[in-house]
Amino acid sequence: AQSVSQHNHHVILSEAASLELGCNYSYGGTVNLFWYVQYPGQHLQLLLKYFSGDPLVKGIKGFEAEFIKSKFSFNLRKPSVQWSDTAEYFCAFGAPNAGKSTFGDGTTLTVKP
Amino acid sequence: DTGVSQDPRHKITKRGQNVTFRCDPISEHNRLYWYRQTLGQGPEFLTYFQNEAQLEKSRLLSDRFSAERPKGSFSTLEIQRTEQGDSAMYLCASSPSWTGGSEETQYFGPGTRLLVL
Repeated sequence: AQSVSQHNHHVILSEAASLELGCNYSYGGTVNLFWYVQYPGQHLQLLLKYFSGDPLVKGIKGFEAEFIKSKFSFNLRKPSVQWSDTAEYFCAFGAPNAGKSTFGDGTTLTVKP
Repeated sequence: DTGVSQDPRHKITKRGQNVTFRCDPISEHNRLYWYRQTLGQGPEFLTYFQNEAQLEKSRLLSDRFSAERPKGSFSTLEIQRTEQGDSAMYLCASSPSWTGGSEETQYFGPGTRLLVL
């Protein structure tokens, strides 16, 4: 069955700390990979995406993610978090032209000022 | 704002009642998706449309659920004989037609939060 595993349910960091959120997916074929963010009171927004090419992708607000095919992983990173990064982060994947995306259960990030 | 819009944003209903939600996708997006999200979980796929054709339905979508996109623009999701377990956030997303590559990015609306008493 297709699934996404996000290892950390809740991460608490101080401002300026580095961030890495783990994401592993279970699927045997080619995938498109996504990270979405949901700020308090707002709807899901795309943070970054990987379709092909360079496995290191950069998104908005200084976030990046690296696709490691051999590990079925797509971890999200940011070298220095800010209080405004407090949000819930969702990893997702979809097979090309399959329509649906499969989401993980999310990681809540709290950044202390 | 030209993003995905959903109406209503909140709905409280009594068990056994029918409810209908509406989604207006981004203009000219051919694909429209419905997801359901419960507390502490990520969105779960329900169904999606390519223009007016419903191409896939999840097993989560019981016979009480029906979705339509009659003219290939807005979509409605109806839940008949609501149950307390239907309480959730119902999300709509849209994307352009797939031609390979980044066109598959889904853009989400704000959701309709349903509470069944």
